[in-house]
Amino acid sequence: EAGVAQSPRYKIIEKRQSVAFWCNPISGHATLYWYQQILGQGPKLLIQFQNNGVVDDSQLPKDRFSAERLKGVDSTLKIQPAKLEDSAVYLCASSLYPQGKTWEQYFGPGTRLTVT
Amino acid sequence: QQPVQSPQAVILREGEDAVINCSSSKALYSVHWYRQKHGEAPVFLMILLKGGEQKGHDKISASFNEKKQQSSLYLTASQLSYSGTYFCGTENSGAGSYQLTFGKGTKLSVIP
Repeated sequence: EAGVAQSPRYKIIEKRQSVAFWCNPISGHATLYWYQQILGQGPKLLIQFQNNGVVDDSQLPKDRFSAERLKGVDSTLKIQPAKLEDSAVYLCASSLYPQGKTWEQYFGPGTRLTVT
Repeated sequence: QQPVQSPQAVILREGEDAVINCSSSKALYSVHWYRQKHGEAPVFLMILLKGGEQKGHDKISASFNEKKQQSSLYLTASQLSYSGTYFCGTENSGAGSYQLTFGKGTKLSVIP
């Protein structure tokens, strides 16, 4: 079974530039998450999709971040304009719509963003 | 509310045991444990549910104290491959949110 795919793996941009990250979840996984992981910290949820609808985007800085999941499959996260504090690893994760009570998230390899 | 993990870091020799704790100030519905190796994605280890259900790894165990809003991860007879940062993720919003808040992590180093 193919895992969660993300691209690019690394990106270096200057502040005030824009950047986009792409995620392709595991086939059949209805729920997709975007996380921001700052060095030395745990992943912080930015947005959660269920199919192509947003479940929670309360921690997404909407003045500069946007995300979409067209057709309920792959997703794009965009930052425009970037700030120095956006330097982090951006992780995408997906999970199968729970069958019963248990569910687990599968993470992609992440995109390491450096803003200079 | 971010769960609190302890210790922040631990160094073990191969074969030694370790316990990693995770506590929440809010009522927990489930606790998930992940391990992340340097430069890699977090990998699922365990899930513990309110009410006692548990699913996960066959060489690592965990407990869930609902009253104390705490979970502990037990690594016994550690191997070099256990090295990494362990995160607990808590589901606080009740059944059906399918959303986790992660702690800051516990860095485990296993040395020969």
